[in-house]
Amino acid sequence: DADVTQTPRNRITKTGKRIMLECSQTKGHDRMYWYRQDPGLGLRLIYYSFDVKDINKGEISDGYSVSRQAQAKFSLSLESAIPNQTALYFCATSDSTGRWAFFGQGTRLTVV
Amino acid sequence: RKEVEQDPGPFNVPEGATVAFNCTYSNSASQSFFWYRQDCRKEPKLLMSVYSSGNEDGRFTAQLNRASQYISLLIRDSKLSDSATYLCVDMNRDDKIIFGKGTRLHILP
Repeated sequence: DADVTQTPRNRITKTGKRIMLECSQTKGHDRMYWYRQDPGLGLRLIYYSFDVKDINKGEISDGYSVSRQAQAKFSLSLESAIPNQTALYFCATSDSTGRWAFFGQGTRLTVV
Repeated sequence: RKEVEQDPGPFNVPEGATVAFNCTYSNSASQSFFWYRQDCRKEPKLLMSVYSSGNEDGRFTAQLNRASQYISLLIRDSKLSDSATYLCVDMNRDDKIIFGKGTRLHILP
């Protein structure tokens, strides 16, 4: 089983719909991150969390929200999806030193 | 200025050649740097850390130049399997993990 699991792996949704992407990890790491990846733009940080009570905005948090339900779970929500949120989304975790980041396999989201 | 900048490439090099990429960073307080590899449509995976004194792992050598604020990755005797996108990562002072946009490498047979 993967150390960092994202669900769903692929999703097509309509503009205006609410959608949640989920991430769970078995590594016991405190730190979790959500990134989106677009061609030519690389990986951009959306939100990150250093423990259950800590949530921080990244560089592109507008239009997104997150919830850290437990140490092992970090979900990303799009309250009202729009087409320019079509992207590949990655969840990542790291330990308290932040030296190693482990990624989930990604969620390919298409908003039509 | 972007926090981490990389030449996007693509770098097209023949098998067996040596290739080097640089990555510049803007935060002079950054302490930790890494190189990640990402295959097409896959998640990034850690390739190697970058230590101040430089470090080597097989055919791969990473170096840090704090004075000029760049890190480098050297791949010797390149293999077809080295074809991928290489991402430079800055673990900056706020402990956010910041990625460069990546450099695409194509090894030609």
